[in-house]
Amino acid sequence: GQQVMQIPQYQHVQEGEDFTTYCNSSTTLSNIQWYKQRPGGHPVFLIQLVKSGEVKKQKRLTFQFGEAKKNSSLHITATQTTDVGTYFCAGQGPNDYKLSFGAGTTVTVRA
Amino acid sequence: DAGITQSPRHKVTETGTPVTLRCHQTENHRYMYWYRQDPGHGLRLIHYSYGVKDTDKGEVSDGYSVSRSKTEDFLLTLESATSSQTSVYFCAISDFGLAGVLSSYNEQFFGPGTRLTVL
Repeated sequence: GQQVMQIPQYQHVQEGEDFTTYCNSSTTLSNIQWYKQRPGGHPVFLIQLVKSGEVKKQKRLTFQFGEAKKNSSLHITATQTTDVGTYFCAGQGPNDYKLSFGAGTTVTVRA
Repeated sequence: DAGITQSPRHKVTETGTPVTLRCHQTENHRYMYWYRQDPGHGLRLIHYSYGVKDTDKGEVSDGYSVSRSKTEDFLLTLESATSSQTSVYFCAISDFGLAGVLSSYNEQFFGPGTRLTVL
């Protein structure tokens, strides 16, 4: 199965700044999903990208899926304290109902 | 949130004892998953189920077994718990639309988690 690598592991951000987290898969994916886990909580689905080169936005969050469908990124602009948590990418291979999760990027925000 | 519950929510046990964690869903979703979460490793799949009595291994299945005798329940058993199995365990469910796997939204909904400590 595919392996999904995610960087950075930690991101310390000043409130108002932007940051990006990146995911790379060892194989071509059918889709990639992003989840957010607040401290002490459980992962919650954010979005799914399916098409090559796809870009989706959710307010201050921009998600991209690479042309080769092997990498993805999440960019957050004007970070707020509500953005604190761990962001996971999860890749799904062709004809597969399992997800391979990246290790996550844990975000802390300095007010 | 989707109707997923996990029990117990917290458990402390001793090395060598059997432990069973339960995941219960009210969504009638076909697919169910057990993950463990450890610092630096993200979520790692232990076992999953694609229907009643249909299960398969994930990437970290050694030392774990599962059973699914009905759609709503998925049990994870540690036959003889070890300290390396101290972790937070999450159950998740998903389903696919009629259009098929590749074109359907198949997000996973997670339960609240079980924190297991093996002493």
